[in-house]
Amino acid sequence: NAGVTQTPKFQVLKTGQSMTLQCAQDMNHEYMSWYRQDPGMGLRLIHYSVGAGITDQGEVPNGYNVSRSTTEDFPLRLLSAAPSQTSVYFCASSYSMQGQGKFFGPGTRLTVL
Amino acid sequence: SQKIEQNSEALNIQEGKTATLTCNYTNYSPAYLQWYRQDPGRGPVFLLLIRENEKEKRKERLKVTFDTTLKQSLFHITASQPADSATYLCALDINTGFQKLVFGTGTRLLVSP
Repeated sequence: NAGVTQTPKFQVLKTGQSMTLQCAQDMNHEYMSWYRQDPGMGLRLIHYSVGAGITDQGEVPNGYNVSRSTTEDFPLRLLSAAPSQTSVYFCASSYSMQGQGKFFGPGTRLTVL
Repeated sequence: SQKIEQNSEALNIQEGKTATLTCNYTNYSPAYLQWYRQDPGRGPVFLLLIRENEKEKRKERLKVTFDTTLKQSLFHITASQPADSATYLCALDINTGFQKLVFGTGTRLLVSP
């Protein structure tokens, strides 16, 4: 099993550009989520999904869109990148039962100039 | 306001000693508390989970305690090794049905030979 994979590992964007961060998991997990990690702050939830076709907003959803057409994939779209979106982005997945640890991907380091 | 606090200063200990990391929280009533390890440039890795009705949980050299009265969790690594050097994150599962984890900022542990 590859676990949770993310692409790209690094990305530099100019303000106003759009892009999609890819996330895939091969563990048949129902739950998937996107977090951002910034210095001095804990991981913050952007969007999450409890299954294919179902998504919802987390703590910091503005400027991001998600969709979940399959169990395996959960892409994160930046609509119009801003410098405030410079961060490290992590995708995570888990089983739906309460009390389960999450599996995190290796992260995407995004810089917006 | 709701807060999760972990010591932001690095914890330096000698190999073989027990490392104790603290996670304090206010204005949350978590159903579960989780601990993760994060190495530089990598995603968090799930270590242990403890339920609100459990006082203590062990896994090999790791031990977690959870005091819902004090609103505190302690994370212990016994017989520490240089390979244990990493940042350790605590996360509260605030029981909204999705496993919405709220993360602390983490404490960096440095184990010297």
